Amino acid sequence: DIVMTQSPDSLAVSLGERATINCKSRQSVLDSSNNKNYLAWYQRKPGQPPKLLIHWASTRESGVPDRFSGSGSGTDFTLTISSLQAEDVAVYFCQQYYSTPFTFGPGTTVDI
Amino acid sequence: EVQLVESGGGLVQPGGSLRLSCAASGITFSRYAMSWVRQAPGKGLEWVSPIGGNGDNTYYADSMKGRFTISRDNSKNTLYLQMDSLRVEDTAVYYCAKHSGINCYTPIDYWGQGTLVTVSS
Repeated sequence: DIVMTQSPDSLAVSLGERATINCKSRQSVLDSSNNKNYLAWYQRKPGQPPKLLIHWASTRESGVPDRFSGSGSGTDFTLTISSLQAEDVAVYFCQQYYSTPFTFGPGTTVDI
Repeated sequence: EVQLVESGGGLVQPGGSLRLSCAASGITFSRYAMSWVRQAPGKGLEWVSPIGGNGDNTYYADSMKGRFTISRDNSKNTLYLQMDSLRVEDTAVYYCAKHSGINCYTPIDYWGQGTLVTVSS
């Protein structure tokens, strides 16, 4: 199984400031045949199901504000919220869909 | 608008069975792989099983192999999870999730609200 880890476990950021969340996979999730990283980022608010933010490591899902961006390749990935808004308070987690069993990171809580 | 509505959860004794259903609307159901994902109380998300749009390419996490069976009826736009020999540790909220493509090696882009399964005597 590909183990996913995240850091930090939680962070507090002032409104308008940058938030950076890291995700590491124990093995690469890059498919060299198509140069795609099989890595997604989700946002989860209390009482709601997860919401897809980023897929293929850096492609923003339709309708997601452009303050959210993803980067990285292979085993190391980053989700950046460039200017934190009040509505961004949530848990963020990464997930690999490169190989079964698909696995999730433990989540990072972002607060103000 | 994509909607995924789970049903079938509830209280069951250890060793018992339950069948979860997920009714999908707002999509051409057969074009998308689907998955079940669960979250036990106080734990993180755990992916249970995917199924391709054609009903192929099923897979099960080790702890569920031989006990859980995923299936779909594309004529009814419905996903199922048959759970047998349930254990206390299967207690969780079970989410139905839609992938963005016909195979499961695509991101999950929609989730249902979840249905609670409680296994207890």
